[in-house]
Amino acid sequence: AQSVTQPDIHITVSEGASLELRCNYSYGATPYLFWYVQSPGQGLQLLLKYFSGDTLVQGIKGFEAEFKRSQSSFNLRKPSVHWSDAAEYFCAVGAGSSASKIIFGSGTRLSIRP
Amino acid sequence: GAVVSQHPSWVICKSGTSVKIECRSLDFQATTMFWYRQFPKQSLMLMATSNEGSKATYEQGVEKDKFLINHASLTLSTLTVTSAHPEDSSFYICSADRDRGGGGYTFGSGTRLTVV
Repeated sequence: AQSVTQPDIHITVSEGASLELRCNYSYGATPYLFWYVQSPGQGLQLLLKYFSGDTLVQGIKGFEAEFKRSQSSFNLRKPSVHWSDAAEYFCAVGAGSSASKIIFGSGTRLSIRP
Repeated sequence: GAVVSQHPSWVICKSGTSVKIECRSLDFQATTMFWYRQFPKQSLMLMATSNEGSKATYEQGVEKDKFLINHASLTLSTLTVTSAHPEDSSFYICSADRDRGGGGYTFGSGTRLTVV
């Protein structure tokens, strides 16, 4: 069965510092992978997605993620975080016949230290 | 483009009443929509897949009679929480499959349901 693991429940980084959020997935074939961001009480915004091709994916807001099949990972990175990046981040895998059923990880809460 | 509107954004209801939540795709047609539930400080759990013109497919453990889903048109799916109880209080989010598997998944802004 498809699953997503985000090992870090909460991360705090200083403003301007680099960021890496970890994500590991379990899937039988080439996965469809996503990163979403959720601000408190809000819906989800897609940051980036990987379906195939270049394993380094560029997203919005300066985020990028790298698909590593050998490690079953899809870690999210940003070179320099801003206070507005504080939010909950969800890694997800597309499941089902058309990969449109999204299975979410447990999320990582990002706090920014001034 | 690709906007999904969810209404209402928050609702408070009394125990025993029913609440209807709407999910509309504003600028595209969605044959499939998905309903998720999110408990405080937890992840999103898929409840059901809403299929236009046919019955919804529910995930294991989700009560079909409690959470009624209707997908009567290509732009509208509704979730009705029947005979609501305080334990149904949660954040409900819908998503629509814009590209039929091509990766165009758009989420609504969510509905905060509080049952008192």
